[in-house]
Amino acid sequence: LAKTTQPISMDSYEGQEVNITCSHNNIATNDYITWYQQFPSQGPRFIIQGYKTKVTNEVASLFIPADRKSSTLSLPRVSLSDTAVYYCLVGDSAAGNKLTFGGGTRVLVKP
Amino acid sequence: DVKVTQSSRYLVKRTGEKVFLECVQDMDHENMFWYRQDPGLGLRLIYFSYDVKMKEKGDIPEGYSVSREKKERFSLILESASTNQTSMYLCASSSPSGNNEQFFGPGTRLTVL
Repeated sequence: LAKTTQPISMDSYEGQEVNITCSHNNIATNDYITWYQQFPSQGPRFIIQGYKTKVTNEVASLFIPADRKSSTLSLPRVSLSDTAVYYCLVGDSAAGNKLTFGGGTRVLVKP
Repeated sequence: DVKVTQSSRYLVKRTGEKVFLECVQDMDHENMFWYRQDPGLGLRLIYFSYDVKMKEKGDIPEGYSVSREKKERFSLILESASTNQTSMYLCASSSPSGNNEQFFGPGTRLTVL
């Protein structure tokens, strides 16, 4: 499984856009990029998944450059409730769905 | 909505005790997982299962075993609890179809004294 590297923490303010970049230099051809969000005292929950270019849903956008060696999760106009840990994972969804979670990025949204 | 439940939110045990952590999912998922989460270390996979009576070791299986007698239930067993097994334990399930999204339970915070 490809290893991922992401910042340990980020601070932001309400209403700003938050961008978290994840590096995955050894991503394989069949790997997808998936992001999870975890609030304190809860289990992680799926946010978004992509393979290439751009994916957008009601929560976030995921930007993946052509070489796929990195990806950026974009959270538009964050609120205090977006304070959480965000995990970037890379893996082949056809390979039994074994995921490797790194340390994640702790995002703190301030008023 | 998928629901993954864990038998306890908080558990306190003594060193040497046998501990059972139960996880139940209601969406007929084939895959189930046990993770532990410790500060600064993220989530680490202990064991997972693709089907009833099947199990695979994750990244840190030492000191743990699992049981999957029914599709909806996946149990994590600490044969002889030790203080270094004090942690948050998270169960998850997923279906091999679609994007393999994992659905997590609320977690069990286990303290071993």
